[in-house]
Amino acid sequence: DAGVTQSPTHLIKTRGQQVTLRCSPKSGHDTVSWYQQALGQGPQFIFQYYEEEERQRGNFPDRFSGHQFPNYSSELNVNALLLGDSALYLCASSLPSGGYTFGSGTRLTVV
Amino acid sequence: QQQVKQSPQSLIVQKGGISIINCAYENTAFDYFPWYQQFPGKGPALLIAIRPDVSEKKEGRFTISFNKSAKQFSLHIMDSQPGDSATYFCAASIVGNTGKLIFGQGTTLQVKP
Repeated sequence: DAGVTQSPTHLIKTRGQQVTLRCSPKSGHDTVSWYQQALGQGPQFIFQYYEEEERQRGNFPDRFSGHQFPNYSSELNVNALLLGDSALYLCASSLPSGGYTFGSGTRLTVV
Repeated sequence: QQQVKQSPQSLIVQKGGISIINCAYENTAFDYFPWYQQFPGKGPALLIAIRPDVSEKKEGRFTISFNKSAKQFSLHIMDSQPGDSATYFCAASIVGNTGKLIFGQGTTLQVKP
């Protein structure tokens, strides 16, 4: 049974560029949440998608946007990248009631 | 009020010893308190979790102690092993409210052979 799959695993972007990260949820899960984990910190909630709609959003600017597809997979888009956006981006899938399974993340480096 | 404060930041324990990590929260609406283990290059993995209606939960060598009045909870790792060396995060959430997790800052545990 495949768990949560994220791609790519590593990414290097230049300031001002845009990036798209992808997530395939665990089989049977229909809810996808995205977290940002800065080096040496705990993950911070970005937003959650359920039934192709943003269900809740954390304290992140509008440069962070997302999408969920009918097959429950999801994308995280970040526009106008800043150096401070460098982090590990984690996708977690669940049922609406909770019970997260995390992926291994995408390591984004902004130079 | 949404914060979860975790201590210590790092911990070194001898093999066979007890590792103790503490967390404190402010929001009394939190009703689910999980602990996650994270190895380098991997995402967090659920270790053990507790609801506030019980004061202790044990799973193998891992025990959560929960003090509702003090708004504190802790993870105890008995008979710590070198394979337990990882970063541990406490978290809190409100069940039914999307399950959004508020994480602590993390504790890096090193178990020396």
